[in-house]
Amino acid sequence: DGGITQSPKYLFRKEGQNVTLSCEQNLNHDAMYWYRQDPGQGLRLIYYSQIVNDFQKGDIAEGYSVSREKKESFPLTVTSAQKNPTAFYLCASSIGLRTDTQYFGPGTRLTVL
Amino acid sequence: RKEVEQDPGPFNVPEGATVAFNCTYSNSASQSFFWYRQDCRKEPKLLMSVYSSGNEDGRFTAQLNRASQYISLLIRDSKLSDSATYLCVVVYSSASKIIFGSGTRLSIRP
Repeated sequence: DGGITQSPKYLFRKEGQNVTLSCEQNLNHDAMYWYRQDPGQGLRLIYYSQIVNDFQKGDIAEGYSVSREKKESFPLTVTSAQKNPTAFYLCASSIGLRTDTQYFGPGTRLTVL
Repeated sequence: RKEVEQDPGPFNVPEGATVAFNCTYSNSASQSFFWYRQDCRKEPKLLMSVYSSGNEDGRFTAQLNRASQYISLLIRDSKLSDSATYLCVVVYSSASKIIFGSGTRLSIRP
């Protein structure tokens, strides 16, 4: 079955630690995205990637980093520089960049203790 | 003013009712519009695209009003399973920009 997966589903982190969230897709999509969602709010774009080895900052990139070494994978690292990292993180992919329908993974809920 | 605004709700309506909500956008250059549905603590899923001429999918009807810069979603004969948050999405293709609204919560009661 084609789809997009994220792991882990729940993640707990101590303050000052970096943590990496996984996102994998087998839809053969070129574009991938990372969003953050806080309670009662919409999605805010962190980073996006149009193609392998290329990625761009979104609206709230500070404190985050990404890599796109493979078409299928777009991991997100939440660094200790991110002041308020507790949130629901959603990864998405689309055939093309941002104008096509996006397919979302199930999300990772990060809590900083 | 936010680029995309939605009434947060919650809209609480009885089963079988018709409910409609709007989403306004501020940039007239926006080109593509979508409605996503998000269940509690789950990922958003595409409900329907919104076309200029309006489009219908079963009990759901989406409309676009470019003059007034809003899109709407109408749900007829609402079911308990329609309870969710509905997110509108506006895409500015020229700027490769996609903006999600904060969502409208809908609760259908028996």
